[in-house]
Amino acid sequence: GEDVEQSLFLSVREGDSSVINCTYTDSSSTYLYWYKQEPGAGLQLLTYIFSNMDMKQDQRLTVLLNKKDKHLSLRIADTQTGDSAIYFCAEVYSSASKIIFGSGTRLSIRP
Amino acid sequence: NAGVTQTPKFRVLKTGQSMTLLCAQDMNHEYMYWYRQDPGMGLRLIHYSVGEGTTAKGEVPDGYNVSRLKKQNFLLGLESAAPSQTSVYFCASSYMGANEKLFFGSGTQLSVL
Repeated sequence: GEDVEQSLFLSVREGDSSVINCTYTDSSSTYLYWYKQEPGAGLQLLTYIFSNMDMKQDQRLTVLLNKKDKHLSLRIADTQTGDSAIYFCAEVYSSASKIIFGSGTRLSIRP
Repeated sequence: NAGVTQTPKFRVLKTGQSMTLLCAQDMNHEYMYWYRQDPGMGLRLIHYSVGEGTTAKGEVPDGYNVSRLKKQNFLLGLESAAPSQTSVYFCASSYMGANEKLFFGSGTQLSVL
């Protein structure tokens, strides 16, 4: 079945690295996404990775993809208070015109 | 740039009442989506549209209807609201489908009493 799983909460100290993990089910997914939702707002695309890549780096963000284990992670270096949000992993189903989202991981920052 | 606009932002209904949520996008996108967001369950797809005049069911379509009479608008209807439909509803659009970035509206908080 279609399923994307994430842990619900993560708490990190300001300045540390945050790692948010995700597992997905469709091995034929072409794209995997990370969206960010700030309080009271809609989701915004944070970054994405093609399924033929293992890693993508974009400033403080690093995405790692393990296709064998169907595991995706998002690392945020030097986590800041502005990174407090809910982070959603999502996969695109190649067989349909839709995206399936995970339950979201709420990232909170400790001083 | 307006992007994706949802109206209303908040609504309280009584059980059995009906209402329509409006989503409008000004980016000439072909694809539009309606999601609901519930605590601990992420976003679940209700219905989507791949172009003007088309609609398709998502994961949780029961109790909802949609229409895409104009390319820029995607309407979500609740004919007889139930407390289980209390949720935050998000509309999204993309240019050419699921392989592209989704643009989201700011959401509608709906409470059904």
